[in-house]
Amino acid sequence: DQQVKQNSPSLSVQEGRISILNCDYTNSMFDYFLWYKKYPAEGPTFLISISSIKDKNEDGRFTVFLNKSAKHLSLHIVPSQPGDSAVYFCAASPGGAGANNLFFGTGTRLTVIP
Amino acid sequence: DAGITQSPRHKVTETGTPVTLRCHQTENHRYMYWYRQDPGHGLRLIHYSYGVKDTDKGEVSDGYSVSRSKTEDFLLTLESATSSQTSVYFCAISESIGRAATGELFFGEGSRLTVL
Repeated sequence: DQQVKQNSPSLSVQEGRISILNCDYTNSMFDYFLWYKKYPAEGPTFLISISSIKDKNEDGRFTVFLNKSAKHLSLHIVPSQPGDSAVYFCAASPGGAGANNLFFGTGTRLTVIP
Repeated sequence: DAGITQSPRHKVTETGTPVTLRCHQTENHRYMYWYRQDPGHGLRLIHYSYGVKDTDKGEVSDGYSVSRSKTEDFLLTLESATSSQTSVYFCAISESIGRAATGELFFGEGSRLTVL
């Protein structure tokens, strides 16, 4: 059963506007949450992470919000740029000895329209 | 970019044949991983290694074996390929468990395998 879910397979946004990508999880023991970005024919690359003890982490145009009570996190990209068009994967780590096994969502394809 | 090379990048094979995918790293990282990516499933861990000759199973290990005889190489073998193993396979490396959990998990470019 999928422990990390991304229910929107795709999202289209105008350049300059905000992109909001959502992710839900079921395991309350997850310690860290991450977002990876993937371009076609390339491997995923790390974008931003957040610890379970925080509710927000910001890095430039990218901000991740964590709502532990709702088991929900979101990635905000402001302003969106055409180069942000990619597939975004949400991932979660159990931490500790289980940290080797990241659980990934199914991905959301973001298209930023110039 | 992390020095990770996967080979072959593309392979088409027939059901029942053995297949080996190779991952080579130049970063001297201790941990190496094999993931598969499938529509509707995201990326799922197949096997990982925490040192030379030290490996463990991941979420979807059935039908796969791995070997790590040198720090820099991690091989994934499908002893008898099936159509359900048609997928894109990604190798990844990390320096430590903790760093993998916080994002320092670096992926190769992927190997697309088609089993007919």
